[in-house]
Amino acid sequence: GIQVEQSPPDLILQEGANSTLRCNFSDSVNNLQWFHQNPWGQLINLFYIPSGTKQNGRLSATTVATERYSLLYISSSQTTDSGVYFCAVLPQGGSEKLVFGKGTKLTVNP
Amino acid sequence: DTAVSQTPKYLVTQMGNDKSIKCEQNLGHDTMYWYKQDSKKFLKIMFSYNNKELIINETVPNRFSPKSPDKAHLNLHINSLELGDSAVYFCASSQKRTRPQETQYFGPGTRLLVL
Repeated sequence: GIQVEQSPPDLILQEGANSTLRCNFSDSVNNLQWFHQNPWGQLINLFYIPSGTKQNGRLSATTVATERYSLLYISSSQTTDSGVYFCAVLPQGGSEKLVFGKGTKLTVNP
Repeated sequence: DTAVSQTPKYLVTQMGNDKSIKCEQNLGHDTMYWYKQDSKKFLKIMFSYNNKELIINETVPNRFSPKSPDKAHLNLHINSLELGDSAVYFCASSQKRTRPQETQYFGPGTRLLVL
């Protein structure tokens, strides 16, 4: 099955810093989503981005489907950005199963 | 207004018991899902229903039985609970079963602890 790898696994930042999270996937996909799981365990949709670039406030994401990767940019990070960021993909070829990466754990210190 | 809701949020129970988790979505979505998040935070799909019809059934012990009384509800019943069932269970929903798949929206999760 498709492999989804996220890097780095852990990231520690000072408030105000910028960061880039990466998601590589091993096969073609129909869908790619980024989620933020906050310290209380809630899974929050960030982006639905099978291709192209989207921006939402301090967050933006780019997916280059032909090269099988996606990037999540966080600018001017805040302590509330802490948590685990997951990338999830829906493989092409008839599968309806969203496959998750193992996540990047982000800690933003004040 | 809660889009995808789950009850209970926390569930602590003894090994061998039977328990149910309920999920409801008020988004008018056709497709609903159950995911399990283990202690290492890894999320994996368990089941998916489209308009009350089972469309995904992963390699899950048959002690787990999903039930969808209507397309707005997907419940998860677990028989003879085991220690390894301790996890966070997330319900999710999406608009419809199309290509490409619509965005999935997740509930708050149910934290199950089996003692």
